[in-house]
Amino acid sequence: NAGVTQTPKFRVLKTGQSMTLLCAQDMNHEYMYWYRQDPGMGLRLIHYSVGEGTTAKGEVPDGYNVSRLKKQNFLLGLESAAPSQTSVYFCASSYIGGGYTEAFFGQGTRLTVV
Amino acid sequence: AQSVAQPEDQVNVAEGNPLTVKCTYSVSGNPYLFWYVQYPNRGLQFLLKYITGDNLVKGSYGFEAEFNKSQTSFHLKKPSALVSDSALYFCAVRDPPGSGYSTLTFGKGTMLLVSP
Repeated sequence: NAGVTQTPKFRVLKTGQSMTLLCAQDMNHEYMYWYRQDPGMGLRLIHYSVGEGTTAKGEVPDGYNVSRLKKQNFLLGLESAAPSQTSVYFCASSYIGGGYTEAFFGQGTRLTVV
Repeated sequence: AQSVAQPEDQVNVAEGNPLTVKCTYSVSGNPYLFWYVQYPNRGLQFLLKYITGDNLVKGSYGFEAEFNKSQTSFHLKKPSALVSDSALYFCAVRDPPGSGYSTLTFGKGTMLLVSP
């Protein structure tokens, strides 16, 4: 049972380059999330999705785009990377469950923008 | 909007002693509260949650949490700390059902260091 899998695990980008982070879950969860983790800032929600074909902005969406074309996948895109986007990115998923279900997290993607 | 505060950046405790990691919350309606643990270079792992019912919630690895509605707190506790408990701990709160989509809001995290 793989759970939530993120690809890649590490990446170094030059300023202005683009990339896509892939998140895949095999638990048939409706909800999926992208967070970024920065020292002293906790986890901040970038974008989320409540179902296939739907996405919404979180707390820090600027500079990122997302797509949820398939229920099991949630992609996070950086069109023009900036040093401020250096961070550890976590994907998570959960059941709808009336709000009381826990989220399951991937192992994270460490992104450095130089 | 809901929010979570973890007032301590770091908690130090000796192995075998009880530990407490503090969390306070702000949410409209009934709170749905969670604790997660993050070991170095790993993702977050779910420890326990409070939905309703008993104010003392038991979770994984011997951890428990005490919900206090009057103090809007949800402190994480363990009777006897282990060195292996050293990690980063996050408190989180869900959107209440009916208040929009169900996102999770996290605190800034508390580093727990257990010394031998």
